[in-house]
Amino acid sequence: GAVVSQHPSRVICKSGTSVKIECRSLDFQATTMFWYRQFPKQSLMLMATSNEGSKATYEQGVEKDKFLINHASLTLSTLTVTSAHPEDSSFYICSARDGTAWEFGPGTRLLVL
Amino acid sequence: GQNIDQPTEMTATEGAIVQINCTYQTSGFNGLFWYQQHAGEAPTFLSYNVLDGLEEKGRFSSFLSRSKGYSYLLLKELQMKDSASYLCAVRVEAGTALIFGKGTTLSVSS
Repeated sequence: GAVVSQHPSRVICKSGTSVKIECRSLDFQATTMFWYRQFPKQSLMLMATSNEGSKATYEQGVEKDKFLINHASLTLSTLTVTSAHPEDSSFYICSARDGTAWEFGPGTRLLVL
Repeated sequence: GQNIDQPTEMTATEGAIVQINCTYQTSGFNGLFWYQQHAGEAPTFLSYNVLDGLEEKGRFSSFLSRSKGYSYLLLKELQMKDSASYLCAVRVEAGTALIFGKGTTLSVSS
């Protein structure tokens, strides 16, 4: 079946640093990928839609200058959390569509100290 | 706005059957999905309904009534490994992101 990978799976960083998370579709091409964030014991909240070759679209309340998204190819989207703060600590998950099914990456757990 | 409701928690015993309900009020409808999520892991796809009726896949079945804005996930012959969070998600338009409910945490005991 279709596989979506994310890297890194886990990252710990100091407050004020930037962190890049990669999302790859391994055996299919994805013109659109989605980035979600999940806080403990809460559901997945859509952050942004990543479009290959064009600008990402962000959900209300998500700062586009803080969460930079680049979808440079049909198999790779990156999310960069700039100047991370402790409140950005969360589980970040990307998703891409392969046919009917929406596949999710394994997630990246970010802890900002 | 979009609203998807499901019970917060449910408990059941091994071998039993459990039904997890989901109701939705959304601006459009292009499919309803059920995912399973174990703690600390990403969601895994369980089922997809776009037409009314029952979809069966092994021990898991999902039902949809579009007129009622209602779906349920039925889990049979429960096993301990079924203890997880079950997420109901709606796609409002083709090609758009899924909107998730808050999830139902199912605890299966022996």
